[in-house]
Amino acid sequence: NAGVMQNPRHLVRRRGQEARLRCSPVKGHSHVYWYRQLPEEGLKFMVYLQKENIIDESGMPKERFSAEFPKEGPSILRIQQVVRGDSAAYFCATNANTGELFFGEGSRLTVL
Amino acid sequence: TQLLEQSPQFLSIQEGENLTVYCNSSSVFSSLQWYRQEPGEGPVLLVTVVTGGEVKKLKRLTFQFGDARKDSSLHITAAQPGDTGLYLCAGDPPTSGTYKYIFGTGTRLKVLA
Repeated sequence: NAGVMQNPRHLVRRRGQEARLRCSPVKGHSHVYWYRQLPEEGLKFMVYLQKENIIDESGMPKERFSAEFPKEGPSILRIQQVVRGDSAAYFCATNANTGELFFGEGSRLTVL
Repeated sequence: TQLLEQSPQFLSIQEGENLTVYCNSSSVFSSLQWYRQEPGEGPVLLVTVVTGGEVKKLKRLTFQFGDARKDSSLHITAAQPGDTGLYLCAGDPPTSGTYKYIFGTGTRLKVLA
């Protein structure tokens, strides 16, 4: 998948715990997009970030969810006080401000 | 809200058959992409179409963008088991300016040997 690295690949959390998902973009890519995919469904846009800035977070729930893309290090999607409905695959995609998105292999969150 | 509806949702066919998958919207898109996703992996870009009426071919796959840039189709000739996967279309809204793609509902294809 063109070098986008996501971890962890699988994460199990109990209700009320926190989940942190990491995404390291392709070298040289400064645009990061997070998508959520429920079983048997397409991808839903959550948030778009550039280095140190959130550009568009219109698809991200206002409560419990946050995202960052610091100057150094990976982008992080953080979900606080997880609930069962948060169980999904979370995909990160990056690009170099061109139309082609490179996706990672996803992080699969299971909330017990 | 812009939506992309894909049909059929599920498709199971025999090896060697032809098939067409549709991606429809009431909204105009600057460009439209098709991805294939295999279980446990992220989507992989197959093609981007930009111009209304554009047709692109990728081996046995033919992609067409509607004249009004609201819909697209993917035609596979002589399907093979390796074509099995989830096919997703994704549209770039003309006002987004951010490549914030809207993904379709997906078509899950299974090609039987």
